[in-house]
Amino acid sequence: AQKVTQAQTEISVVEKEDVTLDCVYETRDTTYYLFWYKQPPSGELVFLIRRNSFDEQNEISGRYSWNFQKSTSSFNFTITASQVVDSAVYFCALSVWGAQKLVFGQGTRLTINP
Amino acid sequence: GAGVSQSPRYKVAKRGQDVALRCDPISGHVSLFWYQQALGQGPEFLTYFQNEAQLDKSGLPSDRFFAERPEGSVSTLKIQRTQQEDSAVYLCASSLGLLAGGGDTQYFGPGTRLTVL
Repeated sequence: AQKVTQAQTEISVVEKEDVTLDCVYETRDTTYYLFWYKQPPSGELVFLIRRNSFDEQNEISGRYSWNFQKSTSSFNFTITASQVVDSAVYFCALSVWGAQKLVFGQGTRLTINP
Repeated sequence: GAGVSQSPRYKVAKRGQDVALRCDPISGHVSLFWYQQALGQGPEFLTYFQNEAQLDKSGLPSDRFFAERPEGSVSTLKIQRTQQEDSAVYLCASSLGLLAGGGDTQYFGPGTRLTVL
């Protein structure tokens, strides 16, 4: 069975601070995919990134960066110079080869205060 | 282009009523998924279609839940004899379905918030 743990339930920081959201996953499969989604107050899940298990390169997209480490089964997400618009619930998710479904973590509610 | 749309956005039902929730996937997307999201929780998988075939319904919580996608496009999630524990946001997602083993990016609709009184 697969499992995703986001230990941080809520994080609150002041604007312009850097913040890292943790994600730890469990699977016995060797081929799997990891995702991050953002859920703003409107409720719609917005896709941010997809990584496969064979690509451990870190990725940067503007103020967002992701650190994938298979050795610790972690896929952490960092927002640099946070902005109020980054306030949302962020979900980490996992799917494995042969099963289409996503398994989500419990989510981290991020609040950026002005 | 248009994203995934769902209707209604909000639904209030009395306990025991039947409800039907609709999902219009992104045009050309082969795969369609339904998830249930309870308040303060992450989404949980309900069922998956590839075209019109329902290939995985392992997440449906009871036989009161039924989903269909008869023409391989629009899908309907039906809940019979609703109970208070069915209150949640029901999310629909679609993906291209290019990878036979999974792993395609799923794009989500805005959800339907169901409240059972």
